[in-house]
Amino acid sequence: AQKVTQAQTEISVVEKEDVTLDCVYETRDTTYYLFWYKQPPSGELVFLIRRNSFDEQNEISGRYSWNFQKSTSSFNFTITASQVVDSAVYFCALLGTGANSKLTFGKGITLSVRP
Amino acid sequence: DTEVTQTPKHLVMGMTNKKSLKCEQHMGHRAMYWYKQKAKKPPELMFVYSYEKLSINESVPSRFSPECPNSSLLNLHLHALQPEDSALYLCASSQGSSVSSYNEQFFGPGTRLTVL
Repeated sequence: AQKVTQAQTEISVVEKEDVTLDCVYETRDTTYYLFWYKQPPSGELVFLIRRNSFDEQNEISGRYSWNFQKSTSSFNFTITASQVVDSAVYFCALLGTGANSKLTFGKGITLSVRP
Repeated sequence: DTEVTQTPKHLVMGMTNKKSLKCEQHMGHRAMYWYKQKAKKPPELMFVYSYEKLSINESVPSRFSPECPNSSLLNLHLHALQPEDSALYLCASSQGSSVSSYNEQFFGPGTRLTVL
């Protein structure tokens, strides 16, 4: 079975602070995919990034960056200079292969960015 | 255009009603999904359709009946629901299956269902 752990449940920061959302995963698959989704209060899950198990390059997209480390089974997400619009629930998810070929979500992290 | 649309946005129904949720995508995606999400919880997979065939049913009660009339449409027929079925129902689609290189799922805005 596969598992995603997001140990942080709620984070509150002041605007312009940097914040890192942690994600640790477990899987026995050698090929797997990791995702981050954002769910604002409106409810729609917004796809942010996908990472393959064989590509450990970190990625930066504007104020967002992701650090994938297979050695620690972690896929952390950093928001630089946070903004109020970043307030949302953030889910990390894992997609395996074979019997694990369905998206397994972590419990989500509620991020509140205060002005 | 990475848009998945869902109707209705809100639905209130009694336990004896029959209703349907609709989902549509025009991205040429070949896999479509239904998820159920309770408040403050992650989405839970219900059904997966791949190339218009049901490929995964996560032991969902028969009062939920999915249908995929064509590659762009996905319905969820509801009958004799219980109050505990009240939740946000999310539809998603992906270009390929889980083992393909294009497996990121794009979600619709959801239907907020209340069963009285």
